[in-house]
Amino acid sequence: DTAVSQTPKYLVTQMGNDKSIKCEQNLGHDTMYWYKQDSKKFLKIMFSYNNKELIINETVPNRFSPKSPDKAHLNLHINSLELGDSAVYFCASTTQGNNEQFFGPGTRLTVL
Amino acid sequence: SQQGEEDPQALSIQEGENATMNCSYKTSINNLQWYRQNSGRGLVHLILIRSNEREKHSGRLRVTLDTSKKSSSLLITASRAADTASYFCATDADGSYIPTFGRGTSLIVHP
Repeated sequence: DTAVSQTPKYLVTQMGNDKSIKCEQNLGHDTMYWYKQDSKKFLKIMFSYNNKELIINETVPNRFSPKSPDKAHLNLHINSLELGDSAVYFCASTTQGNNEQFFGPGTRLTVL
Repeated sequence: SQQGEEDPQALSIQEGENATMNCSYKTSINNLQWYRQNSGRGLVHLILIRSNEREKHSGRLRVTLDTSKKSSSLLITASRAADTASYFCATDADGSYIPTFGRGTSLIVHP
C-alpha cells in the first residue's frame, strides 16, 4: 500500500536518449512535486503541479517536461538526456496549504 | 532563493548519546520542517515548527526555532543505530508553500 510510488527505481541509459519516470500517489493529495537530488545530496525542486496545473517551474531546461494526466499522477519526461542529468529524482505530494510532503522512493537515473 | 543550510555536514556518535543538528536560513519563513532520509530511500517528514513557535517535541526529537537568529536545531536524544540517516531542514518563505531544502546532515550512530 505504497502512498507515493515511482517507476522505475533504477534507470540506466545512454546520452541523447529520451526517457520517462512515472509517479503515482494514492493519498488523495492535490499537489505533486518533482525534485532532483545530486550526488552531494542537495535536493532541488523542479516542478510543482496543483490539480493537474503547473504552478512551479524552477529554471529547469525545457528538455524536462512534466505531465499530469490526473491529480494522482505526475510523470516526468526527459528528452536528449545529458551526463549532468544523472541524479536521483524524487516525486512528492501534499495537500495545498499543508507543508508536510510525502516522498516517493526515488528513481536513480544514470546517463552514460 | 531561500535555502536552509544544515550544520554539521556529518556527525558520528555512539548509541545512547544525543545528536544535535543545526539549520540556518536567510529570509523570514512561515515554518520550518525537518525530514529524515535513510540511505536509498525517500524523505520522511519528522516535525514541523511554525514561525511563532519556539520549541516542539515529538518522542525523542526536540526542535527549537530562533527566528531572530534565523536558525533551528534538531536534537535526537538517546540515539539508536536505527537513527543513522541524513537529516534535512526545509524552509518556506513567507507567502509560499514551496519548501527549500538544504544539503542535509549525515548522522551515523555506532552500536
